[in-house]
This record gives sequence, structure tokens and C-alpha cells, in this order.
Amino acid sequence: EAQVTQNPRYLITVTGKKLTVTCSQNMNHEYMSWYRQDPGLGLRQIYYSMNVEVTDKGDVPEGYKVSRKEKRNFPLILESPSPNQTSLYFCASSLRDLNEQFFGPGTRLTVL
Amino acid sequence: GNSVTQMEGPVTLSEEAFLTINCTYTATGYPSLFWYVQYPGEGLQLLLKATKADDKGSNKGFEATYRKETTSFHLEKGSVQVSDSAVYFCALVTGTASKLTFGTGTRLQVTL
Repeated sequence: EAQVTQNPRYLITVTGKKLTVTCSQNMNHEYMSWYRQDPGLGLRQIYYSMNVEVTDKGDVPEGYKVSRKEKRNFPLILESPSPNQTSLYFCASSLRDLNEQFFGPGTRLTVL
Repeated sequence: GNSVTQMEGPVTLSEEAFLTINCTYTATGYPSLFWYVQYPGEGLQLLLKATKADDKGSNKGFEATYRKETTSFHLEKGSVQVSDSAVYFCALVTGTASKLTFGTGTRLQVTL
């Protein structure tokens, strides 16, 4: 089954404790992105990757890091999480730009 | 920059009522336009899309027409069902980077 998976689905952590949210797709897609969803703001792009070892900032990259060492994986790293990063995070992938994006099920992160 | 404006929700309708969710956009270049749907507890799924002016996207009884002259992409359905209850996002993408610009989302609640 073609899908985008994210782990964990739910996470509660404390300020400053490094964490990684994993994202994996099995569709051999080139493009992958991370979004955060906040009430009243819709979804905003954090980082994106056009292929292995090619990443760039989206609209709200501050406080986040990403890497793309393999085509299928695109982890999101929070080196020192803060409460304002409490949000619902979605990973997405697409074959190329302008194509349909496939979304993962989301990761709900709470930073205390 | 690009932006998407959606009508405020929530929208509450009785089953079999007619649905319209307004969406207007501002974009540089020639965007592709999308409607995504998010069911409770799930990630986003593509509902329909249109890639050029006057195109009509349709799926599951929903329709939207790409109107360049009014920069709009309103979502319509002739007869909604309880199972259509979800949050609907209008979005666009231009150029490269596979970056979707989302509206803030409109929650639809359909009652019996």
C-alpha cells in the first residue's frame, strides 16, 4: 500500500530535550515536505527536499532541522524544542513539483 | 507572495443541502489549485485539483472551477452527506519546491 508514515503519532516532551520525528514514504517520490498545522493559520511549510541531499527552508524553518540521506526518509529534528513548537506536524511527499502531495497521518507534539 | 483566503467556518448544513465554500487566491505566475480534505484524526487527502484556467476539478460529487478572472476556486456539492463532515483546505502551488500555500481551512458539519 502506497503511504507516508510518521512516528511517533503523539509526543509530549519538555523544553530543550532534543527530539526527532521520522517520516518515510514507499512511493519513490522525489519531493518531501514538512508542515505544521495551527488553529487559524492552516498549514505552513517548515522545510522541503527536492531529492537526496537537497533541502531548503520553507516559511517557518526557525527551530527545526531536516536531513535527506535516503530518498524514502525525511526526518524532522528539533534540537531544543520550545512551547511555541507545540503543534500538529505533517509530512508529505510528491513525485515532482506541482503534483498531488500525499500526507502522513500527523504527529501531535506538545512541548511543556 | 502567494496567499489563499477561505470563508470562515464552521459551516453547518443539513443532509442533502447544497454546499459552497469560497476560496480566493493571490499568486505570482500561474498556480495549480487544489482542495484537500481532512477527516477527524487523519492527514490531508487530495479531493480535487485544477491546473489551468477554466479547468473543472471534480471528485465524490464535489466540484470546483478555476476562475482566473476572479482568482477564485470555490468548492461546491449539490447534496452533502453526514460523511462529508470534515475540514476543507484550499491550496495552491506555483513554480518549483513543491510548496503548497494553504488557506486556513473551513470546518463543515453535516447533520441529519
